Amino acid sequence: QKEVEQDPGPLSVPEGAIVSLNCTYSNSAFQYFMWYRQYSRKGPELLMYTYSSGNKEDGRFTAQVDKSSKYISLFIRDSQPSDSATYLCAPRTGGFKTIFGAGTRLFVKA
Amino acid sequence: DVKVTQSSRYLVKRTGEKVFLECVQDMDHENMFWYRQDPGLGLRLIYFSYDVKMKEKGDIPEGYSVSREKKERFSLILESASTNQTSMYLCASSPRTSSYNEQFFGPGTRLTVL
Repeated sequence: QKEVEQDPGPLSVPEGAIVSLNCTYSNSAFQYFMWYRQYSRKGPELLMYTYSSGNKEDGRFTAQVDKSSKYISLFIRDSQPSDSATYLCAPRTGGFKTIFGAGTRLFVKA
Repeated sequence: DVKVTQSSRYLVKRTGEKVFLECVQDMDHENMFWYRQDPGLGLRLIYFSYDVKMKEKGDIPEGYSVSREKKERFSLILESASTNQTSMYLCASSPRTSSYNEQFFGPGTRLTVL
């Protein structure tokens, strides 16, 4: 079993839709939960991070972690064509190693 | 503006060749990483370095070695390239003091081994 499972998509939505991206994980030692965004032909860049369980909001983006069910979510409100990218969930323990999900490709159609 | 640069965007090599991938960061970060990215498998850590001349194996170090002689530069070496090393290679750096270890990535090198 992979440490992090993420539906690869692609997910195609119309502009303005609410998008829900999800990951499940198996390691209960994960403490930090990051979401990276990767545009085509670019390296990933950090979008948001959450420490332990709970929600965190940043503009149109909300990250949610449920440690009891080992479930990580990223919600995008009022999605824009510029949000079209691959989104990678990336949990880690307190050590140096971050585990990256395979990524979900998102297309937002104008 | 923080920056991680990689020596090549695209590289084509032949089986058995020795391949050098170079990565340079200008942020004075202590930590540097090499990943490979393959469809459906995500980013897999090859090697990690937390200081000059220091290195730790990641999940898939076989067939690779690394060198870090200067703080800003981290090199990945394929001793004898094989076709199963055809992949996208990403370099990243992060500051030691960051609790959540935000990593800054380069644009990647797409390596094809024929």
